[in-house]
Amino acid sequence: ETAVFQTPNYHVTQVGNEVSFNCKQTLGHDTMYWYKQDSKKLLKIMFSYNNKQLIVNETVPRRFSPQSSDKAHLNLRIKSVEPEDSAVYLCASSSDWGGDVQDTQYFGPGTRLLVL
Amino acid sequence: SQLAEENLWALSVHEGESVTVNCSYKTSITALQWYRQKSGEGPAQLILIRSNERDNRNGRLRATLDTSSQSSSLSITATRCEDTAVYFCATDPQGGRALIFGTGTTVSVSP
Repeated sequence: ETAVFQTPNYHVTQVGNEVSFNCKQTLGHDTMYWYKQDSKKLLKIMFSYNNKQLIVNETVPRRFSPQSSDKAHLNLRIKSVEPEDSAVYLCASSSDWGGDVQDTQYFGPGTRLLVL
Repeated sequence: SQLAEENLWALSVHEGESVTVNCSYKTSITALQWYRQKSGEGPAQLILIRSNERDNRNGRLRATLDTSSQSSSLSITATRCEDTAVYFCATDPQGGRALIFGTGTTVSVSP
């Protein structure tokens, strides 16, 4: 099966803890993304990686960091979580960055984070 | 900064009826994509429409694009309960490197 996979599905933690979310795509894509979706369903791009190079890094807090071992994996680490980090974190991938029109993004099911 | 937004937070229709979701954006784009997100899932693309196109169809779905008014619409005909979802437009800004997602419109289709 070719798709975007995320683990865990759901994570509850306390303020100050460190968390890490995994994302793997089996679509053979070159670019992967992390989005944050808040309780109002607003989607905000956080990071994207193209061939292991960080090419978009929006103004997210420094406690967030993307980690990639190869083009099929892009993990997200949050050091010292805060209550406002509670959200759904969505991973996505697409096939090519260089065209005049951005390719379709394929999303995973998301990781729901609750910070107590 | 660019903003894309759907015009209504929520729409409710009955099965078999048609529904239209509208989107407006604020800067020049190369294309606009429509996505659908069902409960518990990630968004999935429905249609891509380029800036030089006015109309694009995919089965029961039809997207239009008016670059002069910087707006787009997504129409669904013969709706089904499984069309219940949040619908997003996502713009592909000229010179940009990331999609900008709208605020989303929740469409509820009841039997």
